[in-house]
Amino acid sequence: NAGVTQTPKFQVLKTGQSMTLQCAQDMNHNSMYWYRQDPGMGLRLIYYSASEGTTDKGEVPNGYNVSRLNKREFSLRLESAAPSQTSVYFCASSTGTGAGNEQFFGPGTRLTVL
Amino acid sequence: GQSLEQPSEVTAVEGAIVQINCTYQTSGFYGLSWYQQHDGGAPTFLSYNALDGLEETGRFSSFLSRSDSYGYLLLQELQMKDSASYFCAVRDSTTGRRALTFGSGTRLQVQP
Repeated sequence: NAGVTQTPKFQVLKTGQSMTLQCAQDMNHNSMYWYRQDPGMGLRLIYYSASEGTTDKGEVPNGYNVSRLNKREFSLRLESAAPSQTSVYFCASSTGTGAGNEQFFGPGTRLTVL
Repeated sequence: GQSLEQPSEVTAVEGAIVQINCTYQTSGFYGLSWYQQHDGGAPTFLSYNALDGLEETGRFSSFLSRSDSYGYLLLQELQMKDSASYFCAVRDSTTGRRALTFGSGTRLQVQP
């Protein structure tokens, strides 16, 4: 039981390059999330998927797109990377979006945009 | 505006008790959650309070007062491994999102 896995763990991009961050969970969770965390800051929600087939914008969606590929997988795409997108990206999943539903986080992807 | 307010840093000594406060503003309240994050690690769930009162889980307890829009995390018998950042989180209905909003976090430093 791997929980939530993310690839890659580290990535360096040049401004304008594109990339996709992958996330998968094996807990049969309905809901999945993408967050970014800047140094010394809290988690800011980029996009989330309450259930398979749905996606919704979070607090900071600009510059990102997502795909809920199936119940297990939720990917995050940067179409044209900018230095402001340098951050640590966490994927998370939970049974549902209820406030009491524990979110399980992946190990994170550390992205640097030059 | 900011939905959640918590102190940025707290320092305490090993064996002591520390309280991390969180105040929130949201039009519809669904409960207060707490997460722990060690440096370089991923957040992990600690507790959730939907109703007023104290919830205890081992050395950690979490308290909620809905009338005061306030909660706290209480850590007892502090250990060095408790040095981490602690985040409170609520589902803020003013955002229209069915997802949690996290506070900026409180960095706890436990000293010998």
